[in-house]
Amino acid sequence: ETGVTQTPRHLVMGMTNKKSLKCEQHLGHNAMYWYKQSAKKPLELMFVYNFKEQTENNSVPSRFSPECPNSSHLFLHLHTLQPEDSALYLCASSQMGGGATDTQYFGPGTRLTVL
Amino acid sequence: GIQVEQSPPDLILQEGANSTLRCNFSDSVNNLQWFHQNPWGQLINLFYIPSGTKQNGRLSATTVATERYSLLYISSSQTTDSGVYFCAVDPTTGNQFYFGTGTSLTVIP
Repeated sequence: ETGVTQTPRHLVMGMTNKKSLKCEQHLGHNAMYWYKQSAKKPLELMFVYNFKEQTENNSVPSRFSPECPNSSHLFLHLHTLQPEDSALYLCASSQMGGGATDTQYFGPGTRLTVL
Repeated sequence: GIQVEQSPPDLILQEGANSTLRCNFSDSVNNLQWFHQNPWGQLINLFYIPSGTKQNGRLSATTVATERYSLLYISSSQTTDSGVYFCAVDPTTGNQFYFGTGTSLTVIP
């Protein structure tokens, strides 16, 4: 699906670097999400934004810092990451933040490798 | 939190065969979705199915909410069906999706 785009698609960074992941949705949705997918593990929800306000933070370390300037854009700022942070980072959006009729649409993901 | 278990964890099929994937969840849910993750990591929405049965081409899904499980049926499988299938649930007591561990499907020609 092309409604949610993510850049970059691949990122290699050192532990002292600072980088940002970008997500953009073209679906007119009001909620956006960051998920982490590590090998052999279920997707882990990191952050949820509803109408630009953060509504969920699932005990994510402070080296991950989200930013949602508007309902269409979501960033994940990365600094001083650890090798175990290497994973696929997926962005998703939905009409509203959960509920009986909400459906999430995912971007293609950013494959992050921390050296 | 809610537990979401999928079975089998891995499945290898000959092209043309049928299969059933199962998702069990430990609590009442408002919402249940099935996703297919292709080999490139893209997650594609297959079904939004908190209850009942839906069909879309060779795929169909049934959720029995009172018994806390959902089934995904794949008929006449094709090599392009390969990938990982996830179910995700939004419990009535919460406001976020919880994903299962997935079923990795390989369809061989």
